[in-house]
Amino acid sequence: DQQVKQNSPSLSVQEGRISILNCDYTNSMFDYFLWYKKYPAEGPTFLISISSIKDKNEDGRFTVFLNKSAKHLSLHIVPSQPGDSAVYFCAANLLPGGGADGLTFGKGTHLIIQP
Amino acid sequence: EAGVAQSPRYKIIEKRQSVAFWCNPISGHATLYWYQQILGQGPKLLIQFQNNGVVDDSQLPKDRFSAERLKGVDSTLKIQPAKLEDSAVYLCASSSFPNRNTEAFFGQGTRLTVV
Repeated sequence: DQQVKQNSPSLSVQEGRISILNCDYTNSMFDYFLWYKKYPAEGPTFLISISSIKDKNEDGRFTVFLNKSAKHLSLHIVPSQPGDSAVYFCAANLLPGGGADGLTFGKGTHLIIQP
Repeated sequence: EAGVAQSPRYKIIEKRQSVAFWCNPISGHATLYWYQQILGQGPKLLIQFQNNGVVDDSQLPKDRFSAERLKGVDSTLKIQPAKLEDSAVYLCASSSFPNRNTEAFFGQGTRLTVV
C-alpha cells in the first residue's frame, strides 16, 4: 500500500529549462511534506518542505506547490543545472501525536539534466 | 557541524548469519531513526528513538531485527538471522526535537548484501 506515490521513475530535462517532479499521496492525515535529493552512494539530503497550511514554498531555484484537495504536490526547479541530476524523493509526515514522526517516502524520481 | 556517521559502509554476509550496524547521530539531536531502503524503493522507517526510548517500531520485523540506543546517543541495529530479502541500504537519520517540523539528516548508509 503505497501512501506516497511518485509515478515517474525517471525524467530527462534540458539544462536551463524547468524540471517538474510530481508526487501524489493518499493519506489525508499527512500534514507536512518534504523533498529529499539523493546522489549515488550518499544518504538523502533535505531540499525543501511545505506545511499543509500553505500552498507554495520557495527557496532559490526550488519551489514546492501543494494542492491539498487533489492530494498532490510538485517540485519545480528552474533553471535546471547539471548538478541537479539525482534521485528526488517525496516524503510525508503525519499530524503530530504520540511523538512518532517518521517519514513515509515515495519510490523516487531519477532526474537527468541533459547538457 | 559533523554529520550522521554510520559504519560499516558495506557488508556482505551469508543468509542465517548475524550482522550489526552502528550509527552516531548529529550532536544534540534527540531523535534517531533507522530506515531500510531496498533497491528501487524509497526508504522505509524501521524504528524511531526519542533519546533512549522507542517511539515507533511498528514496521520493525521483531523476530529478526533489534535496535538499541543506550545512553540516548549512539545506536546499533542488528539482524539475526539474516535473510536474502534483507539486502538493502540501512540509513540512519537524526533530527532535533521537539521542533518536529524540521528535516531529518541522513548518514551515508550501510549497504548490506545477503548471499
